[in-house]
Amino acid sequence: ETGVTQSPTHLIKTRGQQVTLRCSSQSGHNTVSWYQQALGQGPQFIFQYYREEENGRGNFPPRFSGLQFPNYSSELNVNALELDDSALYLCASSSGRSQETQYFGPGTRLLVL
Amino acid sequence: AQRVTQPEKLLSVFKGAPVELKCNYSYSGSPELFWYVQYSRQRLQLLLRHISRESIKGFTADLNKGETSFHLKKPFAQEEDSAMYYCALSGLGSSNTGKLIFGQGTTLQVKP
Repeated sequence: ETGVTQSPTHLIKTRGQQVTLRCSSQSGHNTVSWYQQALGQGPQFIFQYYREEENGRGNFPPRFSGLQFPNYSSELNVNALELDDSALYLCASSSGRSQETQYFGPGTRLLVL
Repeated sequence: AQRVTQPEKLLSVFKGAPVELKCNYSYSGSPELFWYVQYSRQRLQLLLRHISRESIKGFTADLNKGETSFHLKKPFAQEEDSAMYYCALSGLGSSNTGKLIFGQGTTLQVKP
């Protein structure tokens, strides 16, 4: 069984640029959730995708957007990057959209200069 | 408001001592509670969840709805328990997304 993978592991961008982060869900999982974890904080929910449709969104502006593909992998896109977007971005997959256990990837560390 | 509070940023104990990591929550419905753990250089992983009522690596957690708490306990700490621990909740119900609301985390340091 393959676990959740994320790419890239880290990257550096400048303010105003756009970034795309990628996530491959665990085998057999159809739901992907994205979280932002600022330094010293717990993860914060960005949004969730279930069977290629957005299924809930946290308190993040529209410049945070996402996609889920037919193989249930997912992308997180952030436009017009701001300094405060510097964080660890975590992807988690699960076998359903509600109470099933979420399995996390290793994260992508984004630094915005 | 939905919120999870972990009042201690750092908990330091000696090996063999009892451990209690505190977690309080605020949620208007019926939440499912979780403890996630992150060991050094590893990914966030589930330690235990309320609904399964399992004891994992000697840890247990009891949901106290009256006090809205879900404290994590272990009678005898081991050095390998040193890690960051996050308490999280997810609401129940068909309209729920299953999103996890995390506390800020507690670093457990077990000294030899």
